[in-house]
Amino acid sequence: GESVGLHLPTLSVQEGDNSIINCAYSNSASDYFIWYKQESGKGPQFIIDIRSNMDKRQGQRVTVLLNKTVKHLSLQIAATQPGDSAVYFCAERSYNTDKLIFGTGTRLQVFP
Amino acid sequence: DGGITQSPKYLFRKEGQNVTLSCEQNLNHDAMYWYRQDPGQGLRLIYYSQIVNDFQKGDIAEGYSVSREKKESFPLTVTSAQKNPTAFYLCASSIDLATSAQETQYFGPGTRLLVL
Repeated sequence: GESVGLHLPTLSVQEGDNSIINCAYSNSASDYFIWYKQESGKGPQFIIDIRSNMDKRQGQRVTVLLNKTVKHLSLQIAATQPGDSAVYFCAERSYNTDKLIFGTGTRLQVFP
Repeated sequence: DGGITQSPKYLFRKEGQNVTLSCEQNLNHDAMYWYRQDPGQGLRLIYYSQIVNDFQKGDIAEGYSVSREKKESFPLTVTSAQKNPTAFYLCASSIDLATSAQETQYFGPGTRLLVL
């Protein structure tokens, strides 16, 4: 299948371990953040989002943490499974625009 | 079965040819977007539309054109003026940002455009 990123940073984890994927954003005016998962040759899939008035949000096996002081966002995946292997990228939206700005992504590889 | 569909999955363009990529959504979303994805880069916005019969240029609109005649459809034409069209093209939609707090964009499966 097609590769969405040939030179992306890669995180390799063992099946069953927890994964932490990080994202730094630059705009202190950003008030909304999203994590997407993209498998090879497919469109991005929404995972979880968070607003700037929150520090943490949990979904099914995923947690997003937002540190506004250092402009850092992280995605934690619990009990990582082979099906979690994909490229993950964050997106931010500034409160005074209607556009999302996307990061370049991190490739997650899960090995048995 | 609700969602966003894009066609074709693969598209080949000859030199000097215009090609049109289709994007349809049955989610009743007001806003629709076109992005270009190149290896090692984040998604870049080509055009977006928040309402029927209106659209705005994104960051890399040169060499592209769009129309929004129907709420559910937002086709993208890659013109011969786009000199480096080889990329993965993604369409997305969202509830209108001006009237709703739900900014989440949902993506279609993408179209890969290749130049012959």
